[in-house]
Amino acid sequence: QTVVTQEPSFSVSPGGTVTLTCGLSSGSVSTSYYPSWYQQTPGQAPRTLIYSTNTRSSGVPDRFSGSILGNKAALTITGAQADDESDYYCVLYMGGGISVFGGGTKLTVL
Amino acid sequence: EVQLVDSGGGLVQPGGSLRLSCAASGFTFSTYWMSWVRQAPGKGLEWVANIKQDESEKYYVDSVKGRFTISRDNAKNSLYLQMNNLRAEDTAVYYCARAAVWGRSFDYWGQGTLVTVSS
Repeated sequence: QTVVTQEPSFSVSPGGTVTLTCGLSSGSVSTSYYPSWYQQTPGQAPRTLIYSTNTRSSGVPDRFSGSILGNKAALTITGAQADDESDYYCVLYMGGGISVFGGGTKLTVL
Repeated sequence: EVQLVDSGGGLVQPGGSLRLSCAASGFTFSTYWMSWVRQAPGKGLEWVANIKQDESEKYYVDSVKGRFTISRDNAKNSLYLQMNNLRAEDTAVYYCARAAVWGRSFDYWGQGTLVTVSS
């Protein structure tokens, strides 16, 4: 069974830039997987950031961007702010109607 | 404004059943795929099920196949998840989500409803 991989944790300084990645235990991520990204703070519902690799959801600031970097999908946050401290999840579409979440990355801003 | 309101969660014994509902407003419900996503306590998100606009296609994560049924009522702008033969590992917050890009991602989320399976 294919596993979607994410860094368990990451830290960034205020104002800095960080890139989180989303990979596959076997194979490369491409746009055909329609990678999407979600932000979640404790006790809250997820918020959609990016879908279809690099399309920002409504109201999402352009500090958040999505791309394919090498064999992974990537979420880049530029000019990190304190309220970016959250859990970030990616989702890959595996075909046949099936989507799989990554395990999530806990981002610390300090 | 798009709104999704989840309801129907609660405490149920192992082997029991529960039906979750999601009331949608602020968009043309009948033109979107819809999904259920869950999150066990302290764990990550897990996609559970998708349903096409006309119910002609339904998909499930392997762990719930044969036990859960996703359905919708476009006249009532409502999404449902019938959960049977519940197990302790089904304990989670269940989120209704509007699916985007033909069901390949999610763009709007409900607030979630907690399902606890315990004796």
